[in-house]
Amino acid sequence: QKEVEQNSGPLSVPEGAIASLNCTYSDRGSQSFFWYRQYSGKSPELIMSIYSNGDKEDGRFTAQLNKASQYVSLLIRDSQPSDSATYLCAVDNNAGNMLTFGGGTRLMVKP
Amino acid sequence: DAGVIQSPRHEVTEMGQEVTLRCKLISGHNSLFWYRQTMMRGLELLIYFNNNVPIDDSGMPEDRFSAKMPNASFSTLKIQPSEPRDSAVYFCASSRDTPLLNTEAFFGQGTRLTVV
Repeated sequence: QKEVEQNSGPLSVPEGAIASLNCTYSDRGSQSFFWYRQYSGKSPELIMSIYSNGDKEDGRFTAQLNKASQYVSLLIRDSQPSDSATYLCAVDNNAGNMLTFGGGTRLMVKP
Repeated sequence: DAGVIQSPRHEVTEMGQEVTLRCKLISGHNSLFWYRQTMMRGLELLIYFNNNVPIDDSGMPEDRFSAKMPNASFSTLKIQPSEPRDSAVYFCASSRDTPLLNTEAFFGQGTRLTVV
C-alpha cells in the first residue's frame, strides 16, 4: 500500500462547479498535511496547509482533515479554467519533517 | 527573497558522464529535500538534510547518486556515471523547522535532466 494515495484522474468539472480532490494516508502519526498545485512543466506550489481536524478555508479553497479516517481533501469552489493542474497531497511521516507526496490528481476545468 | 534557486534549469548529457545539480536554499531555512519526478513514479524523495546533516537518504536510488550540503545554504546532487533512466526533473525544496509542526516546503524551479 502506498503511503499517500490519490486518484490520478483526470477529474473533469465544468467552470463554476465545485471540484473535490481526495487523499488518504497510511501513517496514523502524521501531523501535517499540505496541498500543492503543479502546472504542467512547473514546480509544485503550496496552496493549503492543515494541521487540525476539521475544515480550513482560504478564498475559494477549503481543506478538510479527518485523522480518524486518515483522509484529507481539497475543495475548490467556483472552479476556473486556470485551476486546471495536477494537485498533490503531501503528508509528513512524523519521523522528522519529511513529506511524502501522493501521485497527484489531474484536474481539468472546462469552460 | 528569491526563493529556492536551482541550476542548471536544463541539462542534456551523454550516458556515463557526471552530472551535478545545484540548489540554494531560502535564507533562514534549515531543511533541504531533493526530489525526483517522472511520469511513471511521480514525485519521489531522494534525500533529506536537516541543519546540513543528511537525515534520510533511503530514497537515493543507488551508489551512483550522492548529495552534499557543504554549508547551510547550498547543496549539490551528483550522479556519476549517469544513465538514460536517470532522466527526470529533479527538484530541490527547503523548509524551516519548528519544534511542534512541520512547516511548508518550498520548491525550486527544477532541473530537467536528459541523459542520452
